Amino acid sequence: NAGVMQNPRHLVRRRGQEARLRCSPMKGHSHVYWYRQLPEEGLKFMVYLQKENIIDESGMPKERFSAEFPKEGPSILRIQQVVRGDSAAYFCASSTTGTDTQYFGPGTRLTVL
Amino acid sequence: LAKTTQPISMDSYEGQEVNITCSHNNIATNDYITWYQQFPSQGPRFIIQGYKTKVTNEVASLFIPADRKSSTLSLPRVSLSDTAVYYCLVGDPLTGGGNKLTFGTGTQLKVEL
Repeated sequence: NAGVMQNPRHLVRRRGQEARLRCSPMKGHSHVYWYRQLPEEGLKFMVYLQKENIIDESGMPKERFSAEFPKEGPSILRIQQVVRGDSAAYFCASSTTGTDTQYFGPGTRLTVL
Repeated sequence: LAKTTQPISMDSYEGQEVNITCSHNNIATNDYITWYQQFPSQGPRFIIQGYKTKVTNEVASLFIPADRKSSTLSLPRVSLSDTAVYYCLVGDPLTGGGNKLTFGTGTQLKVEL
């Protein structure tokens, strides 16, 4: 059973460009979470999605950031008009229900030049 | 969400037992205690979870005193590959606190020969 997959693993963008991060949950998992980790810090919750629904987006910046988890395909975290402060590692996790153990992917490291 | 306090770093040698203590003075009645391990450039990996007394699995043991205001992760006979950051998390898995994991800065464990 493959684990949580994230791609790309590394992404470089110039200021003002768009970044799209993809997450494929573990097989059988319908709950997806996105976290952001800045250097030397712990992970910070961004958004929690279930298939086709955003359940909790309280940790996501109001502007430029959006997330989706369509009926078919991976979950997408989209960052529009990136700025240098968006440079971080973005981790996706998945679980079978909204209350059990979350399994994390390897992360996408975003660098904004 | 209960706030947690852990040592910033710990050093050990191969073959020794390592105990990492986490303080969570305002833990709520329904909160569970969960520990994750994170290697550089990887996502966090679930280690163990408990509510009270002692929990043991193939990787670690978790000791929780009766007042539950602290917990201790015990790693038996550590090896170089146990060098990682260890996070203590507290939350109610049946409410929003459970699916919105809150990571502190963790404890950097360094194991040497």
